[in-house]
Amino acid sequence: GQNIDQPTEMTATEGAIVQINCTYQTSGFNGLFWYQQHAGEAPTFLSYNVLDGLEEKGRFSSFLSRSKGYSYLLLKELQMKDSASYLCAVRPLRTDKLIFGTGTRLQVFP
Amino acid sequence: DTAVSQTPKYLVTQMGNDKSIKCEQNLGHDTMYWYKQDSKKFLKIMFSYNNKELIINETVPNRFSPKSPDKAHLNLHINSLELGDSAVYFCASSQGRGRASGELFFGEGSRLTVL
Repeated sequence: GQNIDQPTEMTATEGAIVQINCTYQTSGFNGLFWYQQHAGEAPTFLSYNVLDGLEEKGRFSSFLSRSKGYSYLLLKELQMKDSASYLCAVRPLRTDKLIFGTGTRLQVFP
Repeated sequence: DTAVSQTPKYLVTQMGNDKSIKCEQNLGHDTMYWYKQDSKKFLKIMFSYNNKELIINETVPNRFSPKSPDKAHLNLHINSLELGDSAVYFCASSQGRGRASGELFFGEGSRLTVL
């Protein structure tokens, strides 16, 4: 079976750091992806991990531990425009489809 | 220039009607997808085509029929619409297979409301 869990909602303050966790159980693993989706808009690609460790991309970093079935997205120096839903997605083996989690809605307050 | 464009953006219709959503991408990608996002924001794959060939067909009622006339276009036709079909339908594309297949470029979405 396939299961991806993320917290439903999180809040944080402008300028702070926030970590959004994602745990997954899938039939085989071939990469984990994070997407950002602002309200009423399309999801946009943020990051990709296939090996264990941290991938850094400006203010955003994503971490993966395959043995624990765990990833997190780290957002630093939060800005108001970071208020959005963050979707964790896993690609199982031998398929090109992505299985998405239900997303974490992040609200950034001044 | 919009990379992945879909029409219409909004669609309000009665139960039992038939409707279509069109999608076009100008990124030169080989693979196109239809995803459905329900009211709880859960994004679920429906179909995928690679170079006009159907490669993913999830458990979707056969009232939904995708068609890909060429690799730049993927349309979705829905027959006998039901209330539960109300959702946002996203078209997406990706370049080839492997890692690149996970980097999806989404259209703006088509919000379908069935009354």
